[in-house]
Amino acid sequence: EPEVTQTPSHQVTQMGQEVILRCVPISNHLYFYWYRQILGQKVEFLVSFYNNEISEKSEIFDDQFSVERPDGSNFTLKIRSTKLEDSAMYFCASSLLAGGRETQYFGPGTRLLVL
Amino acid sequence: AQKITQTQPGMFVQEKEAVTLDCTYDTSDQSYGLFWYKQPSSGEMIFLIYQGSYDEQNATEGRYSLNFQKARKSANLVISASQLGDSAMYFCAMRERSSGTYKYIFGTGTRLKVLA
Repeated sequence: EPEVTQTPSHQVTQMGQEVILRCVPISNHLYFYWYRQILGQKVEFLVSFYNNEISEKSEIFDDQFSVERPDGSNFTLKIRSTKLEDSAMYFCASSLLAGGRETQYFGPGTRLLVL
Repeated sequence: AQKITQTQPGMFVQEKEAVTLDCTYDTSDQSYGLFWYKQPSSGEMIFLIYQGSYDEQNATEGRYSLNFQKARKSANLVISASQLGDSAMYFCAMRERSSGTYKYIFGTGTRLKVLA
């Protein structure tokens, strides 16, 4: 069964450093998403991406964040100058459709720890 | 005001029984979507079910159904014939259009424990 994969599974970084979180969505999916979940708390939507551009983003997704689809398979989230409060689990998801009967498939997540 | 409210922080259900997890939402949009996700203790997020605001019928996916009551702004998840593997955190979420963009808003979750 096709699945969304994410690398790395864990990342530890120093405050102020840049990190890139990688995702490989399901191959025929067209819509891609990033969410984050601060430990034990509710999930927060960051951004959605379609046709090589951002289609929706939340207030959290400020200039510190960027997303890219550098090739036909990877979907990356870059966090510039990380802050302590960026420590969270970051989930990537993909879907074939958006709206309507969309079904999002999530990756296993990357746990980011900023020291 | 909370956009998505899940009033049950924790629930217990006996195996094979049905359980309803409550979710109410607040939006002024006419077009919106409602979602339920499951997060087992292992941490992954699993999409369960989707309901569009214009869908006339309640969504169903196997043992999951969404009791959509638009006038009451509720979107309760019903799990029939509970299994031990259903023990997890369950999140209700809404996609609404706000200030020209879509936003996904999650509730605080309900932790379900299925008892043998």
